[in-house]
Amino acid sequence: DSGVTQTPKHLITATGQRVTLRCSPRSGDLSVYWYQQSLDQGLQFLIHYYNGEERAKGNILERFSAQQFPDLHSELNLSSLELGDSALYFCASSVGADYEKLFFGSGTQLSVL
Amino acid sequence: GQQLNQSPQSMFIQEGEDVSMNCTSSSIFNTWLWYKQDPGEGPVLLIALYKAGELTSNGRLTAQFGITRKDSFLNISASIPSDVGIYFCAGQNHQAGTALIFGKGTTLSVSS
Repeated sequence: DSGVTQTPKHLITATGQRVTLRCSPRSGDLSVYWYQQSLDQGLQFLIHYYNGEERAKGNILERFSAQQFPDLHSELNLSSLELGDSALYFCASSVGADYEKLFFGSGTQLSVL
Repeated sequence: GQQLNQSPQSMFIQEGEDVSMNCTSSSIFNTWLWYKQDPGEGPVLLIALYKAGELTSNGRLTAQFGITRKDSFLNISASIPSDVGIYFCAGQNHQAGTALIFGKGTTLSVSS
């Protein structure tokens, strides 16, 4: 158990809908990262928050947004969902702001039908 | 942008055999990490490397940070069935301020 908690584990929704994925980092970790994993693209970095502030953005679509709350949990919001958004979404956390030694949650499997 | 090429894409080996996989980058990294992912789970950190030339072991696993800072390899000795999974390399350049970049993974199958 990495100590990173992601909910829900599975999510099935329809095109055009909006969903929210939730992540609680390991106790003491200030950074939260979101990654998308699909079969053909591997693990793609989406966004990084450190102590409540956005630190870096990767290949995150404009339809997607995230935030980190004062209690350090994070939410990833996906809107106007398309079939191609179906993927595993991972949250990871680390102590500091420098990415090293990321600890991953078990992921949310999103299926858009 | 930065790219990581991980090879081989997949491996099918017999229990007890040694395994080697590697990662190359188009640019310099100053951190290399190796992760393993089991089905239905998130990647788990195996080994972290921070210095060019560094050789680090974790049980039957050994990884090295290449001298050029553009490559790394992971060796698994005397493989066992529970070694099955997807192995990912990941690298980062702190000075460039870029995110941790992942390779596409090596899928390892072990037959007993």
